[in-house]
Amino acid sequence: NAGVTQTPKFRVLKTGQSMTLLCAQDMNHEYMYWYRQDPGMGLRLIHYSVGEGTTAKGEVPDGYNVSRLKKQNFLLGLESAAPSQTSVYFCASSYGSSGVRTDTQYFGPGTRLTVL
Amino acid sequence: TQLLEQSPQFLSIQEGENLTVYCNSSSVFSSLQWYRQEPGEGPVLLVTVVTGGEVKKLKRLTFQFGDARKDSSLHITAAQPGDTGLYLCAVISNFGNEKLTFGTGTRLTIIP
Repeated sequence: NAGVTQTPKFRVLKTGQSMTLLCAQDMNHEYMYWYRQDPGMGLRLIHYSVGEGTTAKGEVPDGYNVSRLKKQNFLLGLESAAPSQTSVYFCASSYGSSGVRTDTQYFGPGTRLTVL
Repeated sequence: TQLLEQSPQFLSIQEGENLTVYCNSSSVFSSLQWYRQEPGEGPVLLVTVVTGGEVKKLKRLTFQFGDARKDSSLHITAAQPGDTGLYLCAVISNFGNEKLTFGTGTRLTIIP
């Protein structure tokens, strides 16, 4: 099993450009998440999904959109990139069993994005 | 205001020394997790604690959940260079049991 994979690993954008980050998991997990990690601020949840075809906003959703058309994939889109979106982006997935209040999240290796 | 405060923010010690890092909040949680993140990688779960006062050991790492379930500590005995990394605590957020809220982390460096 590859676990959680993310593409690309690195990307440099100019302000105003758009891009899509792809996350894929092969563990048949129901739940998937997108986080951003900035120095001194830990991991902050952008958007998440509790199943194929569903998405929901997290703590910092503005400027991002997501789609979960297939169970194994979760896409994060930046419509018009801004320098404030320079960050390391992590995707995660979890089994999502109801009643399990501390489900383990499995993280991908991250995408380092720089917006100039 | 951070839901979870971790301290210290940075810690650099010599190989073989002991250390303790903390995760504190004013809120009560049903459970708490500790993750370790190595440079260039995503976080990896170390442990989940669910009962107030619970102590769990993972080799040289000892995790404790506070009696009131508001705080937790991680103690490392005889630290090794392989322990270097960012240690994050996380709890189920108030928004639902499918989402975690992470602390800001303690960046630990073990000097050989």
